[in-house]
Amino acid sequence: AQSVTQLDSHVSVSEGTPVLLRCNYSSSYSPSLFWYVQHPNKGLQLLLKYTSAATLVKGINGFEAEFKKSETSFHLTKPSAHMSDAAEYFCVVGSPGGYNKLIFGAGTRLAVHP
Amino acid sequence: SAVISQKPSRDICQRGTSLTIQCQVDSQVTMMFWYRQQPGQSLTLIATANQGSEATYESGFVIDKFPISRPNLTFSTLTVSNMSPEDSSIYLCSVVVTASTEAFFGQGTRLTVV
Repeated sequence: AQSVTQLDSHVSVSEGTPVLLRCNYSSSYSPSLFWYVQHPNKGLQLLLKYTSAATLVKGINGFEAEFKKSETSFHLTKPSAHMSDAAEYFCVVGSPGGYNKLIFGAGTRLAVHP
Repeated sequence: SAVISQKPSRDICQRGTSLTIQCQVDSQVTMMFWYRQQPGQSLTLIATANQGSEATYESGFVIDKFPISRPNLTFSTLTVSNMSPEDSSIYLCSVVVTASTEAFFGQGTRLTVV
């Protein structure tokens, strides 16, 4: 069985400071992992994905995530937060190499303060 | 990429009635899915829409309540039947485009049952 746990329901940072959104996964095989962002009243957008290639994955808008098998983690980071980063972020686990039955984490709401 | 047209974008319905949501994609897709996002919650997979055959439902979802059709590769419908206020959610269509490694999501249908 697969599952994903986002360790923080809310994260608040100041503009220009680093962002860390934490995600742990559980899978009986090597999973595909994703981060999606959902801005208010907008659709979901893929930030980045890990599909068993490089463990450090770079995404859009300066975000990146590192797959750490030993820690079963896939934390999302950004060196410097921007006001436009305020949104809901979802860590997602899928079957190896595919998109069947994506399992979404509970989400982390990121607030960015001036 | 894929452009997904999901209709209606929102609706307010009386309890006991049914609503059919349409999902149209501008590209050939390999897989189509329907998700539900209850207020303040994460996304939960309802079912995989299979072309020309019965959808594959996840635990907790049944065909009588959520009948799904997929007559061709680029179109699917989800019906929410005999609605109750507990069905008030955002319903999202998701697709995996042929030869792509990304799952795309529609803007969603915001359903309120009164």
